[in-house]
Amino acid sequence: EVQLLESGGGLVQPGGSLTLSCAASGFTFNNYGMSWVRQAPGMRPEWVSAIGFSGGHIFYADSVKGRFTISRDNSKDTLYLQMDSLRAEDTAVYYCAKDSRAVGGHWFDPWGQGTLVTVSS
Amino acid sequence: EVVMTQSPATLSVSPGDRATLSCRASESVSSDLGWYQQKPGQAPRLLIYDASTRATGIPARFSGSGSGTDFTLTISSLQSEDFAVYYCQQYDVWPLTFGGGTKVEIK
Repeated sequence: EVQLLESGGGLVQPGGSLTLSCAASGFTFNNYGMSWVRQAPGMRPEWVSAIGFSGGHIFYADSVKGRFTISRDNSKDTLYLQMDSLRAEDTAVYYCAKDSRAVGGHWFDPWGQGTLVTVSS
Repeated sequence: EVVMTQSPATLSVSPGDRATLSCRASESVSSDLGWYQQKPGQAPRLLIYDASTRATGIPARFSGSGSGTDFTLTISSLQSEDFAVYYCQQYDVWPLTFGGGTKVEIK
């Protein structure tokens, strides 16, 4: 069974930093692209960033470009999201999601259970 | 970016009835369209990809159609577990974008 387990969320002050992790199991991690998708309360999901199977082919939403960094460690089957210069509008549940292909940018199946990031003073 | 618009925002349906949900793209996304179901407190679950292909384990009562800018998700006979919010997502162009959702509620 494919499982994705996010961690690292929490309360952070505006301007602060946080690193999210997503531990993957049940599939060959280094064969698939991965993404981070966030969802603010009561809102639609918002795609944040994608990374290809080998760590190349990296893409970001304009709303996070220059502030967030996606990476992966295929030796640890783990996906990361380094978030800097956090703003109140970054408050959301952050999901990691497995892409359907080696290079990201397709449908997501499955998603992790999510980790809540709250940016507030 | 491609704006995805879903309608209606809320659909009130009786169990056993048919539900038809719409998703419109601001420009053509070919057939690069997925549908997800989300229940309260849970992550979205993939139902349909490539506009009309059911994901693994998804019941046959869920079907998708459309291409270009207009897409439809049909639930042929609503079961109690189908009451949820449904989102469409295009993956034809970056950035990947989602629709605003349709909440299917019990009538």
